[in-house]
Parts: sequence; C-alpha cells; structure tokens
Amino acid sequence: EPEVTQTPSHQVTQMGQEVILRCVPISNHLYFYWYRQILGQKVEFLVSFYNNEISEKSEIFDDQFSVERPDGSNFTLKIRSTKLEDSAMYFCASSGSIRRNTEAFFGQGTRLTVV
Amino acid sequence: GDSVTQMEGPVTLSEEAFLTINCTYTATGYPSLFWYVQYPGEGLQLLLKATKADDKGSNKGFEATYRKETTSFHLEKGSVQVSDSAVYFCALHVEGDKIIFGKGTRLHILP
Repeated sequence: EPEVTQTPSHQVTQMGQEVILRCVPISNHLYFYWYRQILGQKVEFLVSFYNNEISEKSEIFDDQFSVERPDGSNFTLKIRSTKLEDSAMYFCASSGSIRRNTEAFFGQGTRLTVV
Repeated sequence: GDSVTQMEGPVTLSEEAFLTINCTYTATGYPSLFWYVQYPGEGLQLLLKATKADDKGSNKGFEATYRKETTSFHLEKGSVQVSDSAVYFCALHVEGDKIIFGKGTRLHILP
C-alpha cells in the first residue's frame, strides 16, 4: 500500500540552527501539507502546497518557515532559526484532491526537539 | 472559525467494554467528518469518515454517525480490545484543502 514517508524520525537541534524536515508523498498525489503537534496538544495545520506554490498557510507559518518541492518526489519543510517552542511532532500529508471528502494520508512524523 | 471539540482523555477501559468518544464540531460550510487514529510510535491513519448528514462511517468495529442536527460525530465501539489503545482524533474538512483536528483522546485498554 502506498504511504507517505518522513525522515528523520527524530531530530535534535540547537536553538538558532536551521533544520530541514523531509517527506516523500504518495507518488500520484498533487496536494501536500505540513501539520505539527506540540506535545499533548492538537494537530495544527501549517501549510498546504499545490502546483509548486503555497496554497494556504496558517498564522504559525511565519517567515522562519519555508516549504519546497525540490524534485518530483520530495517535499521539505525548512525552519530557518529554530526556537524552543518549535519543538513538536511534524507531520507531512498528501492527497489526490482538495475535495472535502478526500482522505489525506499522513506520514509517521518527525519529532523535532530544540534544545 | 471552524473547530472540533472532543472529550478529554485519557480514557481507560477494560477489554470488551463499550467505548464512546464524543466529538462535536463548528463549521461555516458543510464539512466531511473523520476519525484518525495514532497508534504508539506511528503516524496518523484514517479510521473512518462520513461525508454527509446521517451517513455512518465504520471500520475495525468502530462506528460514527454524522449528526447535523447536533453537530456531532461520536466514535463508538461495542467491545474494545487491548490493541485499540491509541490516540483518536476527530477532524473536519470543509472546503479548500485544510483539515481541522480536535485535541485527540488517548485510549488505554486494560487486559
């Protein structure tokens, strides 16, 4: 069964450092997303991406965040200068459509710890 | 704005007990409703969904019915197993491409 894969599964970084979280969406999907889950809290939408550009972003997704699809398979989330409050589980997702009844497929997540 | 509220956890039950996890929503449009499950150490998996009022989603013995009049989508299972221990997320999808999640409910099933 096709799946979304994320690497690394766990990343520890020092405050102020840049991190890149990587995702390989399902191959025929066109819509890509990043969500995050701070420990014990809800899963929050960060950004969606379609046709090589951001289609929607939340207020969390400020100038320190960026996304990129550098080739035909990868989808990355970059945090330029990490803060302690960026520590969270980051989930990548993809879907074949934006219709409201379409399932989004999620990866296993990358746990980011900023120290 | 659109939002999902689900019951606080953790919920602890004995094996074979009946499970209900409450979920209510607020939406400006006509949402599709989902339950996602996160097993320990794994990502989010779709458990079931319902796309219109009175639809019942079901999977692995779990059921939820889309109730427009009460804006609810409660998750139920008649007889839980230890393997059902996980975190359950209620979610909605109105239009465009954003899914909105509840805070999640952790379920512990005791043998």
